[in-house]
Amino acid sequence: QSVLTQPPSASGTPGQMVTISCSGSSSNIGSNPVNWYQQLPGTAPKLLIYSNDQRPSGVPDRFSGSKSGTSASLAVSGLQSDDEADYYCAAWDDSLNGVFGGGTKLTVL
Amino acid sequence: QLQLQESGPGLVKPSETLSLTCTVSGGSIISSTSHYWGWIRQPPGKGLEWIGSIYYNGFTYYTPSLKGRVTISVDTSKNQFSLKLTSVTAADTAVYFCARLYDFWSGSGEVDPWGQGTLVTVSS
Repeated sequence: QSVLTQPPSASGTPGQMVTISCSGSSSNIGSNPVNWYQQLPGTAPKLLIYSNDQRPSGVPDRFSGSKSGTSASLAVSGLQSDDEADYYCAAWDDSLNGVFGGGTKLTVL
Repeated sequence: QLQLQESGPGLVKPSETLSLTCTVSGGSIISSTSHYWGWIRQPPGKGLEWIGSIYYNGFTYYTPSLKGRVTISVDTSKNQFSLKLTSVTAADTAVYFCARLYDFWSGSGEVDPWGQGTLVTVSS
């Protein structure tokens, strides 16, 4: 049972926009920034979004993050087949423990 | 470009100690005063789980569920940090990743980059 709650799966057709949610509590998302990671099949996770809505250099602007209260969201617009991956949200809680969501498998139909 | 590489046995017997080392290249642990160095694992087919992290001066944080079994140490002369997990069971079978963490005290604590990961199987 993960501390942060994500839907296990999401899907969309090429070109569509898909949103993945991440729900937490006042002690983690509610009071600390959220980061998102993309894990392509058979590879290590890669930082996708940090500090709620910041993109590292090299990450396409099709990926965007937002946070409101104790929830966060990752939006992927202009869906491409290369976006098929597992996506994880993560945060730190007020006791400085790292917490992850259970992951969302994104399928491009 | 900073790179991290895990190394260690791929097979550990139940009740024994899992030991892994992460070698950092393209940057120096001791000069990275705004970063931490951490371990994260992923059981086969499952999600990510924090293990713990260490600062260059040896200050450590461990995830509560593993506290008592885990030790993370750093060797700045070799630009390496290490993980030891004692009394392992089949539940500790996972891909173990080492990574650099940004400041999680006052920043967002993002993890970047990650090592490629190494599978450790606990079995007799």
